[in-house]
Amino acid sequence: EVQLVESGGGLVQPGGSLRLSCAASGFTFSDSALHWVRQASGKGLEWVARIRNKANNYATIYSTSVQGRFSISRDDSKNTAYLQMNSLKADDTALYYCTSCSGTNCYASEFWGQGSLVTVSS
Amino acid sequence: QSALTQPASVSGSPGQSVTISCTGTSSDVGGYNLVSWYQQHPDKAPKLLIYEVFKWPSGVSSRFSGSKSGNTASLTISGLQAEDEADYYCSSYTRSNSFVFGGGTRLTVL
Repeated sequence: EVQLVESGGGLVQPGGSLRLSCAASGFTFSDSALHWVRQASGKGLEWVARIRNKANNYATIYSTSVQGRFSISRDDSKNTAYLQMNSLKADDTALYYCTSCSGTNCYASEFWGQGSLVTVSS
Repeated sequence: QSALTQPASVSGSPGQSVTISCTGTSSDVGGYNLVSWYQQHPDKAPKLLIYEVFKWPSGVSSRFSGSKSGNTASLTISGLQAEDEADYYCSSYTRSNSFVFGGGTRLTVL
């Protein structure tokens, strides 16, 4: 059974930092790209970042709204991906999902976690 | 990157068909056959329905079908059922190697 389990969310003050983790199992994590997608309460989905696999040099790409503040990474030996979030703003408050797929490039998100809630507030 | 444009809501009666549109630009929807569609029920994670414009992931009903013309992609749900009531999102790969979602469409089954 495929599982993606996010953790690390919580309440943080504006300007603070937080690191989310995404533990994967049930598929060949190291072969696949990995995305982070967020959803503010009552709002739509927003793509945040993607990291590709080793064969693609772990290339990363970010949305303009988080570029320069967030950093996506992965540890294939632990089947885990991370999202380091710095200089957090109230607008970053959302449920953060990690997503992946059974292929390599993951142009679509076949697998989703249950999400990790991040609240940015003083 | 601007969000793709979807209607805020659509509705239909059981057994009918409904179509949800997703309009982008030549830099995303029109430029690549990499449009996907997701269904999200309240307080649940999204579920992939369609990938690469018209392909089905394993286990997804063929009542859901996708297509694309120019800069607009479409999701058609045929034989509408009560459990289809949910939010639907399109997504596309973009020229800048990033991804973009649509604003979402609430489907109401009358």
